[in-house]
Parts: sequence; structure tokens; C-alpha cells
Amino acid sequence: GAVVSQHPSWVICKSGTSVKIECRSLDFQATTMFWYRQFPKQSLMLMATSNEGSKATYEQGVEKDKFLINHASLTLSTLTVTSAHPEDSSFYICSAKAGQNTGELFFGEGSRLTVL
Amino acid sequence: QQQVKQSPQSLIVQKGGISIINCAYENTAFDYFPWYQQFPGKGPALLIAIRPDVSEKKEGRFTISFNKSAKQFSLHIMDSQPGDSATYFCAATNTGTASKLTFGTGTRLQVTL
Repeated sequence: GAVVSQHPSWVICKSGTSVKIECRSLDFQATTMFWYRQFPKQSLMLMATSNEGSKATYEQGVEKDKFLINHASLTLSTLTVTSAHPEDSSFYICSAKAGQNTGELFFGEGSRLTVL
Repeated sequence: QQQVKQSPQSLIVQKGGISIINCAYENTAFDYFPWYQQFPGKGPALLIAIRPDVSEKKEGRFTISFNKSAKQFSLHIMDSQPGDSATYFCAATNTGTASKLTFGTGTRLQVTL
């Protein structure tokens, strides 16, 4: 299957700083990428849909100024957690759609964010 | 309308046994139903998926059974192995839209020796 790479796999930062997480589709072009958040022992919660060359669409309750998403190319989307606080500590996972009119999504390995 | 209900929450199966996880959905517009396997600290990996035009799909030891009239689908893992111990998520989406996946709540499977 298609490969989606996420970086970094884990990051620790101080409260008030910003952290950027990258999501790359390695062997295919992804016009649409999705960002999820997962708390321990819980399901994945969709945060936003990222479309190449346009603004991201955020799910209800997700602060767009807090979680900045940029999808500048067909193989790269980034999530920046701005002014991070301990409650932002979570497992962030991206996924990419491998083609049009397909539900098949490939997920990255996830990024564990810990805010001290 | 967007919910996908998954059960059981956790499951313990002996090696060689059959693991069965069930999901039910409400939105009749869903037309793609994947199952994902997730190991601790890793992203979900696509295991197997089905579309509503078939009632069953088998790939190796993994089988999806789909009941369109009941709006239910299930994952069967035959000859369960300790390496199958993971969390399994069912999901559903309408591929004609943004393909946003709606996930079930997950099932933690433990396969014992």
C-alpha cells in the first residue's frame, strides 16, 4: 500500500511554544489529507481536512488559530500547534487519500506531542 | 446519522480461536467500510475493506461480513494469533463526498497462548 510518513514521531516542548508536525505522502500525490487526534485508549477524532492549495476545513470545536494546517504541495501537509499547553498533549495522526472517489486512506505513524 | 457503533470494547481470545468484532452504522449514504488495525504508539493500518455491493470479503485469515439491510458489518479473524493483539477500528465513509472517515470506538483484542 501507499506510504505516509510523519515527522517527528515524538516531540516534547515547553508550554507556550509552537510545534510543527509534517505529513508526507511518499509514493503518491495526495490532494486531500486529514489530521486526527487520539487520546489514550480512545478512537481517532478528526480535526480537519486539508486540501492542497486551499484553506483547511476544521471540524466543529477545533480551534483553527490553535491548530494551523498548511497543504502547500501534493505530497506535504503540516500541522502547527501554536502556543501549546499541556492539554494539547496527544497523539496526532495524519492520513492521505490515494485517489479521487476512493475511501481508501493511508495513515502516518503518528506524532506523540508532550507539552510540559 | 454519522455514528458508527462498535462492540465489544475489549476481547480476549485463545490462540487459534475466532475473534469477532461487530459494527453498526446509521447513515445509509456510507458506501465504503474499512477496518483498521492499530498497535500501541503506531498509526492505524488498513486491514481490509468492503463495499455494500457484496456481503462478504475474505483476505487471508480476515473476513468482513456485511449486512446492508441491518446496517451492520463485522470482522472475523480466523485462527487468531498473539501477533493479532491490537486495537481494531471499524470505519465508514461516503466516497462521493470528502471521504471523511467515521470511526468506531475501537476494540482491544488480546490473543492469549
